[in-house]
Amino acid sequence: AQTVTQSQPEMSVQEAETVTLSCTYDTSESDYYLFWYKQPPSRQMILVIRQEAYKQQNATENRFSVNFQKAAKSFSLKISDSQLGDAAMYFCAYRSASATYKYIFGTGTRLKVLA
Amino acid sequence: GAVVSQHPSWVICKSGTSVKIECRSLDFQATTMFWYRQFPKQSLMLMATSNEGSKATYEQGVEKDKFLINHASLTLSTLTVTSAHPEDSSFYICSAPFRTGHSNQPQHFGDGTRLSIL
Repeated sequence: AQTVTQSQPEMSVQEAETVTLSCTYDTSESDYYLFWYKQPPSRQMILVIRQEAYKQQNATENRFSVNFQKAAKSFSLKISDSQLGDAAMYFCAYRSASATYKYIFGTGTRLKVLA
Repeated sequence: GAVVSQHPSWVICKSGTSVKIECRSLDFQATTMFWYRQFPKQSLMLMATSNEGSKATYEQGVEKDKFLINHASLTLSTLTVTSAHPEDSSFYICSAPFRTGHSNQPQHFGDGTRLSIL
């Protein structure tokens, strides 16, 4: 069975600085997708970024980028130029390419942005 | 873009009553929807996969008779918490994949329902 681990329960970053959130996963599959979701206090789940396992190039979305290391089964999220609005819970999620779109979520990292 | 609507957003009821939560895909058809439960400061735990026109698939440890799921149309899935008790109080979130023929499409989430059982 697949598992997703986020080892940092909480992280803090100064406004305008850069922070990296860690995520590791375990799977025996070769084809899958990885996602980072943001959950602000409103508790709405917002997609931040996604990565296809067959792509070697790391995904980037504006200030958000990932460091995808397939061999190490690592999928970290880097937030550059952190803003107060980035404060939220961040969840890493895994989905098998062969499954029925079912996600496996990590335990989450609470990000605090300090003014 | 794809939108998933969930209703109600917050419900408070007495112990022993049944509560129905609706999840609708507003501008797309969803043959599959997912129901999650989230305890405070914890992750989303998948409860069940809702399949249009057939029985839901429940995750291990989830009581089928407690959490009734119906997916009667391509745009609506309902979760009914039967004979609710205080331990059922939680945040429930539904989601649906927006399928465009590309399997890398993410799930789209409803805004969640906060259920409080007194």
